[in-house]
Amino acid sequence: DTEVTQTPKHLVMGMTNKKSLKCEQHMGHRAMYWYKQKAKKPPELMFVYSYEKLSINESVPSRFSPECPNSSLLNLHLHALQPEDSALYLCASSQPGAPAYEQYFGPGTRLTVT
Amino acid sequence: GQNIDQPTEMTATEGAIVQINCTYQTSGFNGLFWYQQHAGEAPTFLSYNVLDGLEEKGRFSSFLSRSKGYSYLLLKELQMKDSASYLCAVPGNTPLVFGKGTRLSVIA
Repeated sequence: DTEVTQTPKHLVMGMTNKKSLKCEQHMGHRAMYWYKQKAKKPPELMFVYSYEKLSINESVPSRFSPECPNSSLLNLHLHALQPEDSALYLCASSQPGAPAYEQYFGPGTRLTVT
Repeated sequence: GQNIDQPTEMTATEGAIVQINCTYQTSGFNGLFWYQQHAGEAPTFLSYNVLDGLEEKGRFSSFLSRSKGYSYLLLKELQMKDSASYLCAVPGNTPLVFGKGTRLSVIA
């Protein structure tokens, strides 16, 4: 199984809502990532989990809260988002460590904040 | 830090060959990745170069020159489905830093 799955595929939420994005992989990868991608821009790293511990937070606002319940699952909890947070949110996984290993990306969640 | 530069857009004809260049500056080199991303879809891994030279994988080849901080992706026998963005990426302070991507349009 070389697949990273993400749910939901599309999400529309108001600025006062609380929602969560989910990501799952069964490749035995111990590093998982959240990226944000705006139209016609490259992915921007938000968070990295390595061995279920948060290892990198790229100065992301606290309205985004990541969680890694186990080695296969990664969540992104959303609260009080702004319209400018509308984007494609990508999850990825890989073997951890340096040099960087190939990252496998999920299909993404298209988020619209109204 | 990292600085990655690649052309914004390219257009090529079906059946032709196209070369997408990438120049990078990074403190400490741990390889260079190429990803393909179709509009609205996730990036998919194409290649990883850590040593100088050309790596061939079917219609796609990737070249690296570490001394020049330069890589290119070569696509042969272009097909319409190759229309996509091609992202050059290097590990740095974060696991992967992506270039802005090159949007390739393949025309008949």
